Amino acid sequence: DTEVTQTPKHLVMGMTNKKSLKCEQHMGHRAMYWYKQKAKKPPELMFVYSYEKLSINESVPSRFSPECPNSSLLNLHLHALQPEDSALYLCASSLRLAGGSQETQYFGPGTRLLVL
Amino acid sequence: AQTVTQSQPEMSVQEAETVTLSCTYDTSESDYYLFWYKQPPSRQMILVIRQEAYKQQNATENRFSVNFQKAAKSFSLKISDSQLGDAAMYFCAYRSSIGSGTYKYIFGTGTRLKVLA
Repeated sequence: DTEVTQTPKHLVMGMTNKKSLKCEQHMGHRAMYWYKQKAKKPPELMFVYSYEKLSINESVPSRFSPECPNSSLLNLHLHALQPEDSALYLCASSLRLAGGSQETQYFGPGTRLLVL
Repeated sequence: AQTVTQSQPEMSVQEAETVTLSCTYDTSESDYYLFWYKQPPSRQMILVIRQEAYKQQNATENRFSVNFQKAAKSFSLKISDSQLGDAAMYFCAYRSSIGSGTYKYIFGTGTRLKVLA
């Protein structure tokens, strides 16, 4: 199984809603990542988890709250988002956060989020 | 701060021909990693090729090869025998070294490659 899955594929939410994005992998990877990708732009790293611990937070607003409940699952909890948060949210995983071949990232298909 | 620049927003290549995508970067680090990723329309991003900065030898993966010029901070991707399935957005990316104490993973703005039949 070399797949990273993300649910839902599409999400529409209002600015007062609370929703969650889910990412799952069963490759035994111990590093997981969240990226934000606006249309026609490159991905921007948001968070990195290593061995279920938050290792990197790229100064992301607190309305985005990541969670890694176990080694296979990564969530992104959303609350009080703004319309400018509309984007494709990509999850990725790698064997380790170590550089080199161990950090080859496998990406999921993304969740396309629209905030109204 | 590190930056990654892809100066070609769009490129076209005839099927079976060769095309080179350019990428330049700026960093004060001596050790780092460089990547080329492919993102087909509405499909998942996948790693095409990786280069460790401490390796002088250019990386190759089948029809894909890089020209890594460390002094010039240049990292171009050559695609040989282009196929229709190569059509995608290609991103160049930079990853800071483990020893730098800071983790940076920066993508360039991308080059859209069209393959003409």
